[in-house]
Amino acid sequence: DTEVTQTPKHLVMGMTNKKSLKCEQHMGHRAMYWYKQKAKKPPELMFVYSYEKLSINESVPSRFSPECPNSSLLNLHLHALQPEDSALYLCASSQRGESSYEQYFGPGTRLTVT
Amino acid sequence: LAKTTQPISMDSYEGQEVNITCSHNNIATNDYITWYQQFPSQGPRFIIQGYKTKVTNEVASLFIPADRKSSTLSLPRVSLSDTAVYYCLVGGAGNQGGKLIFGQGTELSVKP
Repeated sequence: DTEVTQTPKHLVMGMTNKKSLKCEQHMGHRAMYWYKQKAKKPPELMFVYSYEKLSINESVPSRFSPECPNSSLLNLHLHALQPEDSALYLCASSQRGESSYEQYFGPGTRLTVT
Repeated sequence: LAKTTQPISMDSYEGQEVNITCSHNNIATNDYITWYQQFPSQGPRFIIQGYKTKVTNEVASLFIPADRKSSTLSLPRVSLSDTAVYYCLVGGAGNQGGKLIFGQGTELSVKP
């Protein structure tokens, strides 16, 4: 299995909702990442987990809360989002525990905040 | 992190070879050069990585001159399905990593 899966594919939520994005990989990778991508812009790093511990938080607002329950799973909990948070949220993984430049990306979750 | 400069867009025709050049004048000694491809509404896909001279795989070739201040991604005989955004990234000594910081990328359009 050489892919990163993300669910849901699409999500529409109101500003008062709480929702979660899920990411899964079964490649035995030890680093996992969340990125945010706005239309016509490059992906922007949000969080890095290395060996299931949060190693990088790119000053992301607390309304985004990451969680890594085990080495195969990565969640992003969303609460009280703003319309400007609407974007494609990408998950990625890499083989080694250190943040690596060879990353495998999932297809993303298209999030719309209304 | 070394800053990269790429053309914003390029046009090509099916069957042609496409070369996308990336400038990275302040590349550090232990930096690698990595290229990603991204199709609309999909995650980026790792294409190739190199340190110096030439690297080739089944998808592309990467040419890096001796001074390493630039690099060229070469896509042989492109097809319509190669229409995508291509990102050049510099840093991350091998797998020792560092934060993956994407530049603006080059939007390649392949026409029939």
